[in-house]
Amino acid sequence: GESVGLHLPTLSVQEGDNSIINCAYSNSASDYFIWYKQESGKGPQFIIDIRSNMDKRQGQRVTVLLNKTVKHLSLQIAATQPGDSAVYFCAENTITGGFKTIFGAGTRLFVKA
Amino acid sequence: DGGITQSPKYLFRKEGQNVTLSCEQNLNHDAMYWYRQDPGQGLRLIYYSQIVNDFQKGDIAEGYSVSREKKESFPLTVTSAQKNPTAFYLCASRKGQGNTEAFFGQGTRLTVV
Repeated sequence: GESVGLHLPTLSVQEGDNSIINCAYSNSASDYFIWYKQESGKGPQFIIDIRSNMDKRQGQRVTVLLNKTVKHLSLQIAATQPGDSAVYFCAENTITGGFKTIFGAGTRLFVKA
Repeated sequence: DGGITQSPKYLFRKEGQNVTLSCEQNLNHDAMYWYRQDPGQGLRLIYYSQIVNDFQKGDIAEGYSVSREKKESFPLTVTSAQKNPTAFYLCASRKGQGNTEAFFGQGTRLTVV
């Protein structure tokens, strides 16, 4: 079935280093992708999005890359800080069966001081 | 401030009882969603509503029911038919059906005792 998934369930980085979180998607018809950050016991928060007509989009300390050829999405966090420790989800919007968002399993990011 | 509010934050239920989780938004969003999250897992879609008085089943609707009588409100009832209801429940809303991000509430943690 259609799915969005992540390569790595956990990622541990040193404070100040860059982090890269990867995601694979299988719905070739998806045209909008979102990264969310979820801190413990809270709801997910929007980080950045990208439409399928783009390859790269930059925000504050974050960059999302989209490779439609291999159906791959990545989130890059520059100069990772302790406050970045959280679970990160990629998600795709689909109209299959009604307009909805499908989430991947998530990657937990640990930032070591 | 506009936002999406879930209540209560923690909820305890005895086996065999129905319980209703509240979700209210003042963002004037048309679409609302309920997700379930188990420990260390991603988000799974329970029900969603794209317009008042209309809703659709998600991937794990069995044992749950919803209503959408008002644009602002999308309550979720966890019935006694749900065999394993202990989980973290997240409500979200989105503006229209276009490619926009979802806004999440802070979640309700339901525990069956």
